[in-house]
Amino acid sequence: SAVISQKPSRDICQRGTSLTIQCQVDSQVTMMFWYRQQPGQSLTLIATANQGSEATYESGFVIDKFPISRPNLTFSTLTVSNMSPEDSSIYLCSGGGNSYNEQFFGPGTRLTVL
Amino acid sequence: GENVEQHPSTLSVQEGDSAVIKCTYSDSASNYFPWYKQELGKGPQLIIDIRSNVGEKKDQRIAVTLNKTAKHFSLHITETQPEDSAVYFCAASRRGRGDSSYKLIFGSGTRLLVRP
Repeated sequence: SAVISQKPSRDICQRGTSLTIQCQVDSQVTMMFWYRQQPGQSLTLIATANQGSEATYESGFVIDKFPISRPNLTFSTLTVSNMSPEDSSIYLCSGGGNSYNEQFFGPGTRLTVL
Repeated sequence: GENVEQHPSTLSVQEGDSAVIKCTYSDSASNYFPWYKQELGKGPQLIIDIRSNVGEKKDQRIAVTLNKTAKHFSLHITETQPEDSAVYFCAASRRGRGDSSYKLIFGSGTRLLVRP
């Protein structure tokens, strides 16, 4: 299994600012993903982070709002841009794809926007 | 697209009893079904998974069964303990072309409470 860390673990931000979340995997993984999880809710996929190419976004999520980088096979960043209180949520990254479809999750970043 | 439904939304059991959580999926091409356990303040942890070429898989006190014909799969926890209390999510995925190959579609989650 892969061990995934995220930074920061939590943050409180002002409306209109941006926050970049980092995701580090302890081994090379084919796929990395970013999810959003509202309190008490399930996970919603934001995008697939592709190494060497643009991320693939799910319906309802756009690159201008959630730009993603994936410079190598162990690291990715998600930026939440021009934040509003509606962006308050837990953001999770996952890695996997090396065998079948297994995905392993990071601990999450708890974001509060005031 | 794939849709995964999960039941029940909450489940309370006495310590030592069994717990069963059920999920149904819509895409007959789905071939990978993991289960995750999420404790408060933590990320989801993969606890067991099953692929479409098998009907049942066990790992100590947990087991997963898959009925491809009916398109449903279930998580079984025996001899429950208070530390089993958490939110459990099922998910479904299928191998495909391009970036959709490993996309997981999650169920809505089940909050399990094991009473001491």
